[in-house]
Amino acid sequence: QQQVKQSPQSLIVQKGGIPIINCAYENTAFDYFPWYQQFPGKGPALLIAIRPDVSEKKEGRFTISFNKSAKQFSLHIMDSQPGDSATYFCAATSSGSARQLTFGSGTQLTVLP
Amino acid sequence: DAEITQSPRHKITETGRQVTLACHQTWNHNNMFWYRQDLGHGLRLIHYSYGVQDTNKGEVSDGYSVSRSNTEDLPLTLESAASSQTSVYFCASSHLSGRSSYNEQFFGPGTRLTVL
Repeated sequence: QQQVKQSPQSLIVQKGGIPIINCAYENTAFDYFPWYQQFPGKGPALLIAIRPDVSEKKEGRFTISFNKSAKQFSLHIMDSQPGDSATYFCAATSSGSARQLTFGSGTQLTVLP
Repeated sequence: DAEITQSPRHKITETGRQVTLACHQTWNHNNMFWYRQDLGHGLRLIHYSYGVQDTNKGEVSDGYSVSRSNTEDLPLTLESAASSQTSVYFCASSHLSGRSSYNEQFFGPGTRLTVL
């Protein structure tokens, strides 16, 4: 069964801190790794995504680091703000899965003011 | 503006009853998906459709069914609701993806279902 393992389950940081959320996968056929952000009472929304041919992707304060050999990827949030408080999901997909998403279990991030 | 909507937003039902959750998108997307979200499990795929008259089972399809009679709608039916189906349900849609490309899935606001 395809799996994506995500940690930690919850994370609390002070404003300005750099929370890091980690994900690991086993299926080497995965070729696209999106991160979704979900605010309470809302549906998830795409935040940032990476393909395995690059080791890092940055969009604003959000950075994905990708280690293909270790089959791990992580989300870093620079200069975190209280407005970043949300649940973050990593995900993975492959062309062989007809582009279905396999999600991690989620990380609830709280950024204290 | 194009959007994806779900109704109802909250539903309480009893064990054994049939329940249908609606999903409607105005993006003219080919692909539509139903997920359930449970603490500790993330989002798990229930059913998905790549076009009219096309439906496929996902990871946790037992006890659920879908039908796709038009591009805009993918209703999810719980044939005989069980307490284990208490969850938050999300519908999503995306453009058709090629083998070498991926198109973003857009999620609806969710339906919170409680089965007593």
